[in-house]
Amino acid sequence: AQKITQTQPGMFVQEKEAVTLDCTYDTSDQSYGLFWYKQPSSGEMIFLIYQGSYDEQNATEGRYSLNFQKARKSANLVISASQLGDSAMYFCAMREGRVIQTGANNLFFGTGTRLTVIP
Amino acid sequence: GAVVSQHPSRVICKSGTSVKIECRSLDFQATTMFWYRQFPKQSLMLMATSNEGSKATYEQGVEKDKFLINHASLTLSTLTVTSAHPEDSSFYICSADRGGSTDTQYFGPGTRLTVL
Repeated sequence: AQKITQTQPGMFVQEKEAVTLDCTYDTSDQSYGLFWYKQPSSGEMIFLIYQGSYDEQNATEGRYSLNFQKARKSANLVISASQLGDSAMYFCAMREGRVIQTGANNLFFGTGTRLTVIP
Repeated sequence: GAVVSQHPSRVICKSGTSVKIECRSLDFQATTMFWYRQFPKQSLMLMATSNEGSKATYEQGVEKDKFLINHASLTLSTLTVTSAHPEDSSFYICSADRGGSTDTQYFGPGTRLTVL
């Protein structure tokens, strides 16, 4: 089974509107971390936001917020007030298990969602 | 923020040659670095986990003799594609684990390899 599922290959949003990018995950671990990355056409992966499995509050970073619904195993990314520069691929990722000192837990990535912001 | 550099950003080489790609964490020490490969319009595929001072751990199906990884210091990991062939053409991207409470990986800008 896929560990990270992103069901939206592509999304369109009007500039200044909000958009939600879906992500569901599958793990039997109690401790895990969820990440969202943005990949513009240049190729670099830009870290956006992190949510720990034990975090009670939804993570927020500026215009980015993570709608974390643990029972549904979903971690949707909400981008508010979309800007033209938000057009990019967005990847949801998960780290399973506890954070260990050596930081050796690898990430599982979803297939990504291409967001296009329309002026 | 955390900055990871990758060099070169783009390389074109002839079939049979070897290519070395460097990944550096510029403002933090990274005990662990990761190497990914990304095909066009696809997600990232983990190739190997690189730990400073020890041998890399390769994912299933990744040839360790073809993709040599060295992590000689806490800020530098290198990936060498040996005897490159056209099927090795891809986008290679590294990440460095900053550790801490979230264990966030910060990515380099990637290297586009084209083998003629």
